[in-house]
Amino acid sequence: AQTVTQSQPEMSVQEAETVTLSCTYDTSESDYYLFWYKQPPSRQMILVIRQEAYKQQNATENRFSVNFQKAAKSFSLKISDSQLGDAAMYFCAYRTGGSARQLTFGSGTQLTVLP
Amino acid sequence: DTAVSQTPKYLVTQMGNDKSIKCEQNLGHDTMYWYKQDSKKFLKIMFSYNNKELIINETVPNRFSPKSPDKAHLNLHINSLELGDSAVYFCASSQLWAAQSSGNTIYFGEGSWLTVV
Repeated sequence: AQTVTQSQPEMSVQEAETVTLSCTYDTSESDYYLFWYKQPPSRQMILVIRQEAYKQQNATENRFSVNFQKAAKSFSLKISDSQLGDAAMYFCAYRTGGSARQLTFGSGTQLTVLP
Repeated sequence: DTAVSQTPKYLVTQMGNDKSIKCEQNLGHDTMYWYKQDSKKFLKIMFSYNNKELIINETVPNRFSPKSPDKAHLNLHINSLELGDSAVYFCASSQLWAAQSSGNTIYFGEGSWLTVV
C-alpha cells in the first residue's frame, strides 16, 4: 500500500519570504500522480499544484512550485513571496495511475505566515 | 455554480439518530468519493463510486451506507450515530479515464461538519 509522509507538522514563514514543505511517499508503481492541497480554516480543500510522475519537469503554478525527485520519492512544495492568505494546512497526496483512483493523504503541515 | 456541492454544511445531532449528507457534482465526472477528516485533520477515503457502481469500500462500519442514484449524485446515510462519527465529511469527484492529465485531479466539496452529542 502507498504511504505519504509529511514530517513537518508545523512551519512558519515571514511574509514575502520563501518556504519549502516536505513530502515523501512510498510506492512500487511507476505510474502515479502527486498533489498538494491547501486547506484554510474554512476546511475547503483547494488544489494547489499537480505533478504527473512520468513528467521530469517540475510543475509550477505562479508562486507555487514543486521539487519532484522520483528516485528519492520526494515531492516538496516551495511557496515564494509568501502572503498572509497562504496560511493554511497543506496536504500532500498520492494517486495511483491504475483503476483505483482515490487519494492517499499525508498528515498535513500547518503553515503560519508572519506579518 | 459550485462544482461539488454538499448539504448540509453543518449538522449537530444526538447519538443514536440517523442522518444523511447529500452530494452533487456538475463537472460531468463519472467517479465520486466520500472522505472523512477526523479531529486530527487526517483525511481518509471511505467510499468511491464509478458510474453508480461501488468500486472502493474501505473498512467503514456498515452503519455508513452510500447511495448513488446517478453518476452526478452520491449521498451518505449514517445509522445509529456515535460520538466517534463526529468529523468533517468531504464529497469529491473526478473523471476515471481522461485523455487530459487534468482529468486525474480530484475536486472536493466544501465539507459537511458533523457533530454528534
